[in-house]
Amino acid sequence: SQQGEEDPQALSIQEGENATMNCSYKTSINNLQWYRQNSGRGLVHLILIRSNEREKHSGRLRVTLDTSKKSSSLLITASRAADTASYFCATIGFTGGGNKLTFGTGTQLKVEL
Amino acid sequence: EPEVTQTPSHQVTQMGQEVILRCVPISNHLYFYWYRQILGQKVEFLVSFYNNEISEKSEIFDDQFSVERPDGSNFTLKIRSTKLEDSAMYFCASSVGVVSGELFFGEGSRLTVL
Repeated sequence: SQQGEEDPQALSIQEGENATMNCSYKTSINNLQWYRQNSGRGLVHLILIRSNEREKHSGRLRVTLDTSKKSSSLLITASRAADTASYFCATIGFTGGGNKLTFGTGTQLKVEL
Repeated sequence: EPEVTQTPSHQVTQMGQEVILRCVPISNHLYFYWYRQILGQKVEFLVSFYNNEISEKSEIFDDQFSVERPDGSNFTLKIRSTKLEDSAMYFCASSVGVVSGELFFGEGSRLTVL
């Protein structure tokens, strides 16, 4: 698989439920980030977790990172219709060229009323 | 809140024409980037720019592409002799530096090559 593969590719849930998205990557990373993209819009940074961290919280978001398995998960609790969007994980390696992000394929989340 | 702005939001051009996509990064940021997203595909890194020079570029960023920071605020992507496969959403981004890792993206410029 390529660097940054999310699963599931699509997820449909009811408002109020939790949504979990997973991401796997192949190479060593400096940090892993999650971004959100509403249809036809730009990417919005959600949360960053560094390679020496295992879990991080931000509001209704919880991110975990398992560097031994090269995987991360994003949990959105108590989802809302406004959370409907595509979610991408993106990794940064150890290059000297600034913050070059390698994006995953994304999970399309649909939260229904 | 400071934001990255991009113009135009949508540009339609004929194959073989040159296009320039413009970006105004966040003012105190030092690193600037272009990414692109072909419809239905991954967001792909094109180039990063720091201290008035390219710091890294991908295989996609060949001689057809160039970037420039013509003044203290604008950051441009020029695509020469456009091809059908250049049709994509092009995103500009900026970051303070390497430590934080967070990139701030613009809303994108949709390029359609006919």
